[in-house]
Amino acid sequence: YELTQPPSVSVSPGQTARITCSGDALPKQYAYWYQQKPGQAPVLVIYKDSKRPSGIPERFSGSSSGTTVTLTISGVQAEDEADYYCQSADSSGTYPLVFGGGTKLTVL
Amino acid sequence: QITLKESGPTLVKPTQTLTLTCTFSGFSLSTSGVGVGWIRQPPGKALEWLALIYWDDDKRYSPSLKTKLTITKDTSKNQVVLTMTNMDPVDTATYYCAHRNPAAPKYNWFDPWGQGTLVTVSS
Repeated sequence: YELTQPPSVSVSPGQTARITCSGDALPKQYAYWYQQKPGQAPVLVIYKDSKRPSGIPERFSGSSSGTTVTLTISGVQAEDEADYYCQSADSSGTYPLVFGGGTKLTVL
Repeated sequence: QITLKESGPTLVKPTQTLTLTCTFSGFSLSTSGVGVGWIRQPPGKALEWLALIYWDDDKRYSPSLKTKLTITKDTSKNQVVLTMTNMDPVDTATYYCAHRNPAAPKYNWFDPWGQGTLVTVSS
């Protein structure tokens, strides 16, 4: 089972960044998003498609539509430059956890 | 506050068995819904889920690596151990352990993660 993300997304500071993740089971499974900065461990920024953990800025949001989920970062800041990974599961239980290939967000 | 830390060898030879230990605090693996998972990341590449152990000793493995992996827990020591057999240079990666959020029994996600430990496979 695979989750597909674009390799890279670039935005200017203050703009809105949208990172997509596609997978056949996403209509039935929740998606989760992690932010990973260079040399650091991943940090959860969105869970269950659109919920934000405590401590995560409000500019991070998530949505789901069919086989695609989207992480949206509104008013992007330089500190948001990082790799972003989606995570979900397949519908059969064979793959209880799968990560997407990751998207490098560049703040121009 | 939940914290996790990985420990183990930084260098292993091809064909050897790797044993990694995750030592955690701030939660108990005897609490319903709790779990600890292992994830790895080769240099410059994406995250890859490896294994997950639940509070009730249920275990899940990545189908592609199932024959190489064993995950166990020691609740009294607050530790989870991952063993990976027949190591190969392609297994060179940073290995992370992470806390499975117990909020929803049917769904798995990790928060927080340990700092990770780099394991190099080379003769």
